[in-house]
Amino acid sequence: DTAVSQTPKYLVTQMGNDKSIKCEQNLGHDTMYWYKQDSKKFLKIMFSYNNKELIINETVPNRFSPKSPDKAHLNLHINSLELGDSAVYFCASSQDGLRDTQYFGPGTRLTVL
Amino acid sequence: QKEVEQNSGPLSVPEGAIASLNCTYSDRGSQSFFWYRQYSGKSPELIMSIYSNGDKEDGRFTAQLNKASQYVSLLIRDSQPSDSATYLCAEGSGGYQKVTFGTGTKLQVIP
Repeated sequence: DTAVSQTPKYLVTQMGNDKSIKCEQNLGHDTMYWYKQDSKKFLKIMFSYNNKELIINETVPNRFSPKSPDKAHLNLHINSLELGDSAVYFCASSQDGLRDTQYFGPGTRLTVL
Repeated sequence: QKEVEQNSGPLSVPEGAIASLNCTYSDRGSQSFFWYRQYSGKSPELIMSIYSNGDKEDGRFTAQLNKASQYVSLLIRDSQPSDSATYLCAEGSGGYQKVTFGTGTKLQVIP
């Protein structure tokens, strides 16, 4: 009965590889997000989708491509991984109101060697 | 570029004391303010939200908002060792809840 789930939990890969992280929410929310948390614990929004439509696209390298096949799923594909991509990536979801709580997934710790 | 500023800490308080966490934000148009708690190795979880000037209390937690000073604070009464975590201040504005987080304050409650 996990509300927001992500796979995988850990991802270790070599520079230059392509990898994907998957996210699913069973809360019936309309909006989903990807955040990146760096080694200094700074949590920064990357993308947001509302009902499968991209609504927030922060200054993120175009090596990062989100995809939302339906409103319960938001995946993140990363091409040509770089050392600086090492971080914890969190998926989150909320209803689309400004006051609605964002519920975070458990995170995916990506390590690029 | 919106900014949310927090003292990174660590803030150390003895068990049973009041912990006071502070946050300032740059965008006068910000409408929603949140405090998230993040335990080490875990995901952030919302503990308080506040939208209008004044105080909002929930159990041992009180959030205070002063829009004129662009200042948000979180008070934790009767601090417990289980409160030891990083507390993230965040502000939201515009449609679809674009939330900007601060860098967090690490709180240590000493038994």
